[in-house]
Amino acid sequence: EIVMTQSPATLSVSPGERATLSCRASQSVSSNLAWYQQKPGQAPRLLIYGASTRATGIPARFSGSGSGTEFTLTISSLQSEDFAVYYCQQYNNWPQFTFGPGTKVDIK
Amino acid sequence: QVTLRESGPALVKPTQTLTLTCTFSGFSLSTSGMCVSWIRQPPGKALEWLARIDWDDDKYYSTSLKTRLTISKDTSKNQVVLTMTNMDPVDTATYYCARPGIAAAGYFDYWGQGTLVTVSS
Repeated sequence: EIVMTQSPATLSVSPGERATLSCRASQSVSSNLAWYQQKPGQAPRLLIYGASTRATGIPARFSGSGSGTEFTLTISSLQSEDFAVYYCQQYNNWPQFTFGPGTKVDIK
Repeated sequence: QVTLRESGPALVKPTQTLTLTCTFSGFSLSTSGMCVSWIRQPPGKALEWLARIDWDDDKYYSTSLKTRLTISKDTSKNQVVLTMTNMDPVDTATYYCARPGIAAAGYFDYWGQGTLVTVSS
């Protein structure tokens, strides 16, 4: 099983600032990585797939990068609606899809 | 418009079998490439993929849970059913059904709202 880790566990950011979230895979997943945003009481929302492709309707302030085992999600200028938990997910090891433990982005 | 909705018991006792139903609209599971997965999330914890069923009735299960899971579909009713045997309090979670936006992709564009299942005597 491919184990996903995320850092930091919690990121405190002021509105308007940049947020950088990291995701690491225990072995290469190529570019088969997705990012999700989840708010309390809601289902996850797909943000990024293929490591760097924004899903439909996702604002340009969200960007993804990386390949292999190291990935980054960047939110260029945090808006109030961006405070949430973010999960990465690998889908290279078909079909044993695995998720990371999440990074909570909260207000500083 | 693609929608998915989970339904099932909110409370089950330890050792019982859980049966969850995902009722969907906006697509057909008889269409080539379509698939539906089940994913769960214990309170305050991370997401865990459980199982997937494809349009051609191929089925895939989490390695760690495969002995306890069965996934099936009823194409005429637009439903996918997941059963999990021998429930334990650690199985307390919100259970989601989800599907990719494009055929057979490994990421999930569409999610149901989830159903919370508590395992307790």
